[in-house]
Amino acid sequence: ETGVTQTPRHLVMGMTNKKSLKCEQHLGHNAMYWYKQSAKKPLELMFVYSLEERVENNSVPSRFSPECPNSSHLFLHLHTLQPEDSALYLCASSQDAGDSPLHFGNGTRLTVT
Amino acid sequence: EDQVTQSPEALRLQEGESSSLNCSYTVSGLRGLFWYRQDPGKGPEFLFTLYSAGEEKEKERLKATLTKKESFLHITAPKPEDSATYLCAVQVGINTGKLIFGQGTTLQVKP
Repeated sequence: ETGVTQTPRHLVMGMTNKKSLKCEQHLGHNAMYWYKQSAKKPLELMFVYSLEERVENNSVPSRFSPECPNSSHLFLHLHTLQPEDSALYLCASSQDAGDSPLHFGNGTRLTVT
Repeated sequence: EDQVTQSPEALRLQEGESSSLNCSYTVSGLRGLFWYRQDPGKGPEFLFTLYSAGEEKEKERLKATLTKKESFLHITAPKPEDSATYLCAVQVGINTGKLIFGQGTTLQVKP
């Protein structure tokens, strides 16, 4: 596998469920990101991790909980979500959290029912 | 407030018909401006980074330019495979990894 891999590609969950999104990067990068992409809205930064330390939390509700166990893996734990949380969740990585370009995965399409 | 605005929202071109996409920004302290391409069902793919006014970068039929207030993505003699959504983003802050994205321009090139 190369690049940034996200699983699952699609997820349907009820408002009371708990699920996790997984991201893995094979690029040797030191920074990883979660972005939310909703219809007709710009990509919205959620979290940034640099060398496994969270450096940015963009006022995200606590029902989204990130975890970065090492520089290659990133998780987004979901619980008690709302229908408006339905969106495409994109993971990205970059060489560092400076001005290095982002490499994105193909996302997880989340539907909350 | 930091803001990025892209125009037009959608653009239809005939194959070979050159045009430009606009990205205007208001940020406090530009660290870099990025262009990405996103195909349906896929994540964005990096195209260019521009750092200072007057800078230009080219890749095949695409050329990106930067001024103090806006960036243009010029598409010369486009082909149907250039059809995609083009995203502009500006970096704010130092070593925060924080990018502010515009809403994108969806380009359709008809044969």
